[in-house]
Amino acid sequence: NAGVTQTPKFQVLKTGQSMTLQCAQDMNHEYMSWYRQDPGMGLRLIHYSVGAGITDQGEVPNGYNVSRSTTEDFPLRLLSAAPSQTSVYFCASSYSRTGSYNSPLHFGNGTRLTVT
Amino acid sequence: AQSVTQPDIHITVSEGASLELRCNYSYGATPYLFWYVQSPGQGLQLLLKYFSGDTLVQGIKGFEAEFKRSQSSFNLRKPSVHWSDAAEYFCAVAPNSGGYQKVTFGIGTKLQVIP
Repeated sequence: NAGVTQTPKFQVLKTGQSMTLQCAQDMNHEYMSWYRQDPGMGLRLIHYSVGAGITDQGEVPNGYNVSRSTTEDFPLRLLSAAPSQTSVYFCASSYSRTGSYNSPLHFGNGTRLTVT
Repeated sequence: AQSVTQPDIHITVSEGASLELRCNYSYGATPYLFWYVQSPGQGLQLLLKYFSGDTLVQGIKGFEAEFKRSQSSFNLRKPSVHWSDAAEYFCAVAPNSGGYQKVTFGIGTKLQVIP
């Protein structure tokens, strides 16, 4: 059972480049989400999904797109990278889509992105 | 909207000493409260949570936390710290309805353990 898998672990982009951060989970979780972690800011929610075909914005969605075509995968796309998007990105998932916190939130190991 | 404050950015303790990490929250009703730990290069892992009932909750790795409504606090404690506890600790608060999309994380407290 691999849990939540994020790729790549590290990435360097130039301003204006695009890329996709991958997130996959093998736990049949309905809820999936993307956070960014910045020093002194904690974790901030970018986008989330409560099931295949359903996505919604979090606290800091600008500059990021997501889609959820399968239960397993929830990729995060940066269409035109900016230095302000330098951060560590975490994908997280949970079994329940209905809002029950009894099902814990499982995190991936993160992707460290640098935009120059 | 809720908020959470972790007043200590960095704490250093000696191995074997006791530990208390502070967390204060702001929310109009009784919130749901969490503590997560992040080891270097890893994602966050749930240590414990409080939903209702007994205000002293036990978690994994020997940690406990106490919910004090009068102080709007949910401090994390461990009686004897081990070198492997060196990590960053995040307190989080959520309203008592809705999903993880409504969780607010604190900025974290980095724990250093010295021999």
